[in-house]
Amino acid sequence: DAGITQSPRYKITETGRQVTLMCHQTWSHSYMFWYRQDLGHGLRLIYYSAAADITDKGEVPDGYVVSRSKTENFPLTLESATRSQTSVYFCASRSQRVRNTEAFFGQGTRLTVV
Amino acid sequence: KQEVTQIPAALSVPEGENLVLNCSFTDSAIYNLQWFRQDPGKGLTSLLLIQSSQREQTSGRLNASLDKSSGRSTLYIAASQPGDSATYLCAVRPGGGADGLTFGKGTHLIIQP
Repeated sequence: DAGITQSPRYKITETGRQVTLMCHQTWSHSYMFWYRQDLGHGLRLIYYSAAADITDKGEVPDGYVVSRSKTENFPLTLESATRSQTSVYFCASRSQRVRNTEAFFGQGTRLTVV
Repeated sequence: KQEVTQIPAALSVPEGENLVLNCSFTDSAIYNLQWFRQDPGKGLTSLLLIQSSQREQTSGRLNASLDKSSGRSTLYIAASQPGDSATYLCAVRPGGGADGLTFGKGTHLIIQP
């Protein structure tokens, strides 16, 4: 099915472990984004990518690494997970071809770091 | 730094009422503004996008307005239904080349049957 999918939907990991959250979109959108959603903070931008091999930091990038070797995939890696990274993570995408186009979001990954 | 505020934080009204959700932003140099709906445990569903040059957008029972110069947007929901219960999020896309959206913290809406 067309759309944007995130995996896993739920993840529990231990402090200090590396964990990768996956995001895949089938629209060939140029732009992809990672946000985290926390009570009291709302959604905040972690990283984004304008095209394959082009990434840039958002508001809260520390502790995260991204890559984009293919247009359709945008994985987010926590190199050494901390409890403060317990959150719900959302991936989003947006077309570049159409001006003023909407951003579309995945269903989210709920990550718990214990 | 752009800040987006949504008022009220929570709202509970009887079914059938018309209601208004408010969003304000501190930097008027925006590219567009987008309203989303989020159901518990789910992702974000886009409702309406208003370009910076537009004053309003309509979709069914929803109408969103934008006053860019004063940094405000409203989402009007007509004839509310229990199925409208959700959290409504307002987000702005900056106009200065940086990408990504800046979100408000949302309005949690409950429509009582």
